[in-house]
Amino acid sequence: QKEVEQDPGPLSVPEGAIVSLNCTYSNSAFQYFMWYRQYSRKGPELLMYTYSSGNKEDGRFTAQVDKSSKYISLFIRDSQPSDSATYLCAMSEGGSYIPTFGRGTSLIVHP
Amino acid sequence: NAGVMQNPRHLVRRRGQEARLRCSPMKGHSHVYWYRQLPEEGLKFMVYLQKENIIDESGMPKERFSAEFPKEGPSILRIQQVVRGDSAAYFCASSPMLGEQYFGPGTRLTVT
Repeated sequence: QKEVEQDPGPLSVPEGAIVSLNCTYSNSAFQYFMWYRQYSRKGPELLMYTYSSGNKEDGRFTAQVDKSSKYISLFIRDSQPSDSATYLCAMSEGGSYIPTFGRGTSLIVHP
Repeated sequence: NAGVMQNPRHLVRRRGQEARLRCSPMKGHSHVYWYRQLPEEGLKFMVYLQKENIIDESGMPKERFSAEFPKEGPSILRIQQVVRGDSAAYFCASSPMLGEQYFGPGTRLTVT
């Protein structure tokens, strides 16, 4: 079992839909949780950075962490074709500088 | 405020040649990380450096690969005697402290 599991997709949704992207993990020491967006042939772009359990909202994006279930989610409201990209989850232990990345989920938002 | 810079963006090398990849961190960032990304795989950590120090190279192959971050100038990832299996996208990231890492656009290495 990998430390971080993420369904590679692709996930195809119509414009305007609410998108839910998820990761599960096995290491209970993870405390920092991140979501990155990566467009084709570009570098990952940090979207959200959260510590411990709870929700964090930024515009159309909401990151949710459930440490008891070892499950994190990224919600995208009112999805746009420009949101089409690969979304990578990443997480690290407290005091660690090396995040563990998921494989990424490919999202396609069609007009 | 310029982001993380990497060059070259694309690099083609023949088997046995050397590849040098450069990374300039964001202004004010003193921590640099190198990752490798293969198709259908996630980002794999290679090495973490601060100015003039290698902090953690646990993800770097023991042979042919080396990295440095000199007092002046960019961080350099060097791959000697490249083989076809080295073909990948190599990303550099920087951070001001432990935590949030900001990535560069990557260097795509192709070994022919």
